Amino acid sequence: KQEVTQIPAALSVPEGENLVLNCSFTDSAIYNLQWFRQDPGKGLTSLLLIQSSQREQTSGRLNASLDKSSGRSTLYIAASQPGDSATYLCAVRDDKIIFGKGTRLHILP
Amino acid sequence: DTAVSQTPKYLVTQMGNDKSIKCEQNLGHDTMYWYKQDSKKFLKIMFSYNNKELIINETVPNRFSPKSPDKAHLNLHINSLELGDSAVYFCASSQEPWTSVSEQFFGPGTRLTVL
Repeated sequence: KQEVTQIPAALSVPEGENLVLNCSFTDSAIYNLQWFRQDPGKGLTSLLLIQSSQREQTSGRLNASLDKSSGRSTLYIAASQPGDSATYLCAVRDDKIIFGKGTRLHILP
Repeated sequence: DTAVSQTPKYLVTQMGNDKSIKCEQNLGHDTMYWYKQDSKKFLKIMFSYNNKELIINETVPNRFSPKSPDKAHLNLHINSLELGDSAVYFCASSQEPWTSVSEQFFGPGTRLTVL
């Protein structure tokens, strides 16, 4: 049974710092992995989608990596800004779609 | 131009009532989903339709019935509402079915409160 874990559950970082969010999964037979952002009281916004054959994807200050063999993905955020404060969720697709519980990120001005 | 829209945004109702939540996407996608996010913010898929056909049906009480009149709409009807149904319900869509490498686009959510 696939399990998706995100550590830490919450993170506070001073503005301007680079940071890494972690996502781990137990079964490496996945189709893809997607990172989302959720603002309080809002829906999800897709950030990056990594196919199972890819190692990383980049969008602006965001870079997501995927290591299927170790069951890990990281989301790297460069030069963090207060507007990056949100909950970040990862989700894997195998024969189901399984979400992690998210990391609540707070960027301190 | 909202890509995935849901109505209503908030829904407060009494136990035992029947209610519906509507979802529409204008992205031309073939696949639509319903998710439930509980009070602990844990997101779980409920249903998925591809071209109006049900392709995912997770362990959900049969009081929940999705209806897809066309591929741009996926409505969720809930009978005999219970307190435990209180949650935020998200609709989403993607071009390809869940088995493919297709990005999902989410609606803003409907916050259902059952009293």
